[in-house]
Amino acid sequence: EVQLVESGGGLVQPGGSLRLSCAASGFTFSTYEMNWVRQAPGKGLEWVSYISSSARTIYYADSVKGRFTISRDDAKNSLYLQMNSLRAEDTAVYYCARDQVPGYSGYIMDVWGKGTTVTVSS
Amino acid sequence: DIQMTQSPSSLSAPVGDRVTITCRASQSISSYLNWYQQKPGKAPKLLIYDASSLQSGVPSRFSGSGSGTDFTLTISSLQPEDCATYYCQQSYKTPVTFGQGTRLEI
Repeated sequence: EVQLVESGGGLVQPGGSLRLSCAASGFTFSTYEMNWVRQAPGKGLEWVSYISSSARTIYYADSVKGRFTISRDDAKNSLYLQMNSLRAEDTAVYYCARDQVPGYSGYIMDVWGKGTTVTVSS
Repeated sequence: DIQMTQSPSSLSAPVGDRVTITCRASQSISSYLNWYQQKPGKAPKLLIYDASSLQSGVPSRFSGSGSGTDFTLTISSLQPEDCATYYCQQSYKTPVTFGQGTRLEI
């Protein structure tokens, strides 16, 4: 079964850091582009970051650029999001999502994890 | 950034009705438009990609159309399980952007 499982969320103070992980299974992780998407409480979806299968191409939303870092470890079938200088407005459920077509930057997200909750509050 | 605007923001319709949700892009995005369904407390689910292609496993009552700046998602015969929020998303270029969502009540 194709599956993505996020972990690492929690409560953190403003200015703090958190590292999210996404464990992939049921498909050849190394061949797929991956994304992080977040959803603030009661709000819509916001794309956060993208990493190509080779990890050579990375994009960020302006709202997180310079504070968040996306990475991947194909040996561990895992995707990561290092979040630094966290703000209250970063409070959200964070989803990892797979691009539909391996090796192609389509930004069509066909498999999603269940999400992990990040709360930034003092 | 490309702005995506959905209408209506919410709607209510009875079982069996035909429902249409509209999405407008702030610039032409060709057919790089996708639709997702999200139920409360759940992750989004891909329904339609490239404006009109049905994702595997999605019921055929869902369909999409449009190109350029104007797109529609149609549910031909509404079912109780279609109660959800629907989002359009442009995959034309980064930053990827979503519409604000349309809440559908049955």
